[in-house]
Amino acid sequence: RKEVEQDPGPFNVPEGATVAFNCTYSNSASQSFFWYRQDCRKEPKLLMSVYSSGNEDGRFTAQLNRASQYISLLIRDSKLSDSATYLCVVNGGSFQKLVFGTGTRLLVSP
Amino acid sequence: NAGVTQTPKFQVLKTGQSMTLQCAQDMNHEYMSWYRQDPGMGLRLIHYSVGAGITDQGEVPNGYNVSRSTTEDFPLRLLSAAPSQTSVYFCASSPTPGRHEQFFGPGTRLTVL
Repeated sequence: RKEVEQDPGPFNVPEGATVAFNCTYSNSASQSFFWYRQDCRKEPKLLMSVYSSGNEDGRFTAQLNRASQYISLLIRDSKLSDSATYLCVVNGGSFQKLVFGTGTRLLVSP
Repeated sequence: NAGVTQTPKFQVLKTGQSMTLQCAQDMNHEYMSWYRQDPGMGLRLIHYSVGAGITDQGEVPNGYNVSRSTTEDFPLRLLSAAPSQTSVYFCASSPTPGRHEQFFGPGTRLTVL
């Protein structure tokens, strides 16, 4: 079983739609969780950290469910510019090593 | 403030050749790392360093060497290139990877023929 698993998609949604991605992780000792965004042929960039209490940044909401070992990302009012690959990232039990999921691709159409 | 820089952006090697991918950061970050990204595999950690003079292996270290003589620089050496090393290589830095944002360089696209 992969340490971090994501649905690769693509998720095709119209502008203005709400879309949610889930990511599961296998290491119950993981303490830090992140969502990164990667545009085509570009480097990954941090979208948001995921806190135990859940957190929101504008149209983006991240949730953590430790009992079921998954994190989620909700995007409201999707924009064309949200089209990208979203990477789920978890520290693999050690703060010095992060484990990246393979990413979920989102395509937002007019 | 340039952040994380990588050179070259593109490289084509023949099997058996060696080369060094350069990485530098100007944020005074202690932690630096190298990843490779392949289709369907996600980013995989090759080597990492928690400070000058300290390096350790990641998930896929075979065929690569690193050194960290200064806080700023973290070069990745391919000893004898193989077609399986065709990939996109990203260098990243962070004050501490688990608690802080990792800043990635723009990547090096390497093809080994």
